[in-house]
Amino acid sequence: AQTVTQSQPEMSVQEAETVTLSCTYDTSESDYYLFWYKQPPSRQMILVIRQEAYKQQNATENRFSVNFQKAAKSFSLKISDSQLGDAAMYFCAYRSDNNAGNMLTFGGGTRLMVKP
Amino acid sequence: DTGVSQDPRHKITKRGQNVTFRCDPISEHNRLYWYRQTLGQGPEFLTYFQNEAQLEKSRLLSDRFSAERPKGSFSTLEIQRTEQGDSAMYLCASSLTPRADYGYTFGSGTRLTVV
Repeated sequence: AQTVTQSQPEMSVQEAETVTLSCTYDTSESDYYLFWYKQPPSRQMILVIRQEAYKQQNATENRFSVNFQKAAKSFSLKISDSQLGDAAMYFCAYRSDNNAGNMLTFGGGTRLMVKP
Repeated sequence: DTGVSQDPRHKITKRGQNVTFRCDPISEHNRLYWYRQTLGQGPEFLTYFQNEAQLEKSRLLSDRFSAERPKGSFSTLEIQRTEQGDSAMYLCASSLTPRADYGYTFGSGTRLTVV
């Protein structure tokens, strides 16, 4: 079974600065998808960014980018120019390409605080 | 269509009572998922439907839990004889195959507190 580990329970960043959230995963598969989800307090979880394992190029979405290291099974999220609205729980998630049901395995989350 | 809706947002119940939650997915989405999220943890998969068929259930889904999706539209999750360990956020999500690799659309969840 796959596991996803987020080793930073909490992170703090100054507004306008850059922060990196870590995620590692364990799998024996070669084809899979990785996701970062954001969960603001009392609000729904939303997809921030996704990465296909077969792509070597790191995904980017505006201020959000990932550093995908397949051999190291690492998938970190970099948030540039941090904004107050970025404060939330961030979850890393894994989905096997062999999983017909597209179920996600989530990490335990990282709480990001943004200081004004 | 305003996204995935869950009702109620909060539910407090006494131990031993039955509770039922409802999820209305995005109308064109054929897949519907239920996840459970305990405080300070990531969501854990419970079960999913493709249209009206329940195709997989997690071992977390004990025999006190039952889920339905009649006519492939909304879904209900019922917990019978609730226990304090059932206290959690219950999240519903939907997706449209084959684009599910783009991720799900989640609802805001139902927070259950068993006292």
